[in-house]
Amino acid sequence: GAVVSQHPSWVICKSGTSVKIECRSLDFQATTMFWYRQFPKQSLMLMATSNEGSKATYEQGVEKDKFLINHASLTLSTLTVTSAHPEDSSFYICSATGLADTDTQYFGPGTRLTVL
Amino acid sequence: AQKVTQAQTEISVVEKEDVTLDCVYETRDTTYYLFWYKQPPSGELVFLIRRNSFDEQNEISGRYSWNFQKSTSSFNFTITASQVVDSAVYFCALSGGTDSWGKLQFGAGTQVVVTP
Repeated sequence: GAVVSQHPSWVICKSGTSVKIECRSLDFQATTMFWYRQFPKQSLMLMATSNEGSKATYEQGVEKDKFLINHASLTLSTLTVTSAHPEDSSFYICSATGLADTDTQYFGPGTRLTVL
Repeated sequence: AQKVTQAQTEISVVEKEDVTLDCVYETRDTTYYLFWYKQPPSGELVFLIRRNSFDEQNEISGRYSWNFQKSTSSFNFTITASQVVDSAVYFCALSGGTDSWGKLQFGAGTQVVVTP
């Protein structure tokens, strides 16, 4: 139980293009989803928290116009990196908490984004 | 403010040795959760354990054991008889507090390298 998937697992794009990453809870309803960014050899940095049907809450320093988050249903959240640049290259990981367990985050496998 | 410190950057052991990962946390909250996650080379974070602040009982799960001591604000993790498959980065995390409930504050992580 508590399986979270992400798609794509990796993506390479040109500078200036937009990239959408999907995060799905496969066997539970996710009331809250979180998006993290992780640089090599570093810890996870929380970017934003999203609740189904509401606007995402962004952490300080994260540009909400650049990292668009949509949590349209209880099983899907998307992160769109708009006008991506090489400095946006990173490992993006989502997590989710469910109705049955609102205190434990279950993580997706991550998406490696490379912007050329 | 909450803080999690994992002072050990990397630990190298030979298979079958025991390894203990230290985690020290800081919080002003009386109610909080502590977590351990494993991140193998594939990148996906695997949930290992959650402990709430009112439950100081130590826990054992197979070769894994955890020692929670509120008096020293520590939540240490021991792998007994390590195996090569235990090679990963292990993160300790903390959540709690009215303003940040559900959000995880991660430590820097400890890389465990188990050699045959």
